[in-house]
Amino acid sequence: GENVGLHLPTLSVQEGDNSIINCAYSNSASDYFIWYKQESGKGPQFIIDIRSNMDKRQGQRVTVLLNKTVKHLSLQIAATQPGDSAVYFCAENWDLRVHAGNMLTFGGGTRLMVKP
Amino acid sequence: SAVISQKPSRDICQRGTSLTIQCQVDSQVTMMFWYRQQPGQSLTLIATANQGSEATYESGFVIDKFPISRPNLTFSTLTVSNMSPEDSSIYLCSVAGADTQYFGPGTRLTVL
Repeated sequence: GENVGLHLPTLSVQEGDNSIINCAYSNSASDYFIWYKQESGKGPQFIIDIRSNMDKRQGQRVTVLLNKTVKHLSLQIAATQPGDSAVYFCAENWDLRVHAGNMLTFGGGTRLMVKP
Repeated sequence: SAVISQKPSRDICQRGTSLTIQCQVDSQVTMMFWYRQQPGQSLTLIATANQGSEATYESGFVIDKFPISRPNLTFSTLTVSNMSPEDSSIYLCSVAGADTQYFGPGTRLTVL
């Protein structure tokens, strides 16, 4: 499968600021995207998802934006808190033979550090 | 979402030995997956654990090295065989929900 976001950069933000985490995907056939949060010593936790027929979806303090033209996905966190410190992974479903979400390819991840 | 537990949570093993990791889900699920997460890296799918049939392995992973069992719809095991230091990773099981996957807490394996 094609890769999603090979690098693991670090984003450092001040508490209370907004955070934007980016992800580039390469498979234009992907139809479903997910953001996961992984805290130290834990498994990834689902944050928010978006289908390819949408360009924006909002949750509680989080927004995911999808730009299919440039194959770009972003996660925006409003009023970032210390508890948001974690590694964030994007994932895409590229195996169209199965139900969306059941087969995922993960990006490299971004480490978010929130300074108090 | 499903509640997923894994045993052990961590282990330190000698090279050449094998470790079996257990994954228990609190509800019946059709699809279960095993992932490897090497230090500081993303998740790589090892295989899909199929109930009643052999697991489906991804490229680069073989049954002899990572045998998987799936005796029922709530349980699976992954064995890491003949371990070497390169097998030091976090091993995660996940289950498929309606649209996404839910992950267990992971097993942190260190091979000396």
